[in-house]
Amino acid sequence: DQQVKQNSPSLSVQEGRISILNCDYTNSMFDYFLWYKKYPAEGPTFLISISSIKDKNEDGRFTVFLNKSAKHLSLHIVPSQPGDSAVYFCAVKRGGSQGNLIFGKGTKLSVKP
Amino acid sequence: NAGVTQTPKFQVLKTGQSMTLQCAQDMNHNSMYWYRQDPGMGLRLIYYSASEGTTDKGEVPNGYNVSRLNKREFSLRLESAAPSQTSVYFCASRYSLNTEAFFGQGTRLTVV
Repeated sequence: DQQVKQNSPSLSVQEGRISILNCDYTNSMFDYFLWYKKYPAEGPTFLISISSIKDKNEDGRFTVFLNKSAKHLSLHIVPSQPGDSAVYFCAVKRGGSQGNLIFGKGTKLSVKP
Repeated sequence: NAGVTQTPKFQVLKTGQSMTLQCAQDMNHNSMYWYRQDPGMGLRLIYYSASEGTTDKGEVPNGYNVSRLNKREFSLRLESAAPSQTSVYFCASRYSLNTEAFFGQGTRLTVV
């Protein structure tokens, strides 16, 4: 059973607009949440993270929101740029465990010029 | 600063052949991981090493073995390759529990 769900396999956004990528998780014991970006033929690269003690973290154009009551994580990219076109994975870590990251299946973002 | 280096980048094997995927990191990280990525499946953990001298199974360990050779190196071995092991394999490392993992460029393996 999937513990981390990214229900949208793909998302298309116009350049300059906001991109919102969503992620739902099932276990309230998860305490650290991350977003990774992946270009074709490359390894995933870390984008931004948030601890369960926070509800928002910003880094430039990227903001991650955490809604613990809804077990929902989202990544906002403002403004979106064509170079943001990639597959985005959310990942979670369970508190008290050895810290293995559990990944969602990914959302492919396409930013149109 | 190389980060996480995987070799080889591409490999074609015949069913039943064996091979070892190599991974090395130069960031003095304690934990290392092997993931596989299949279309529509995201990244699934095969094996991990929380610290030098320890290894543990992840979500999909069958058909694989690992060795944490030292703090820098973590290898993944396929003893008898099967077509179901056709995948892209990623090695990752991280310093501690609440830090991000850094990934290598991947090894694209095809078993025919």
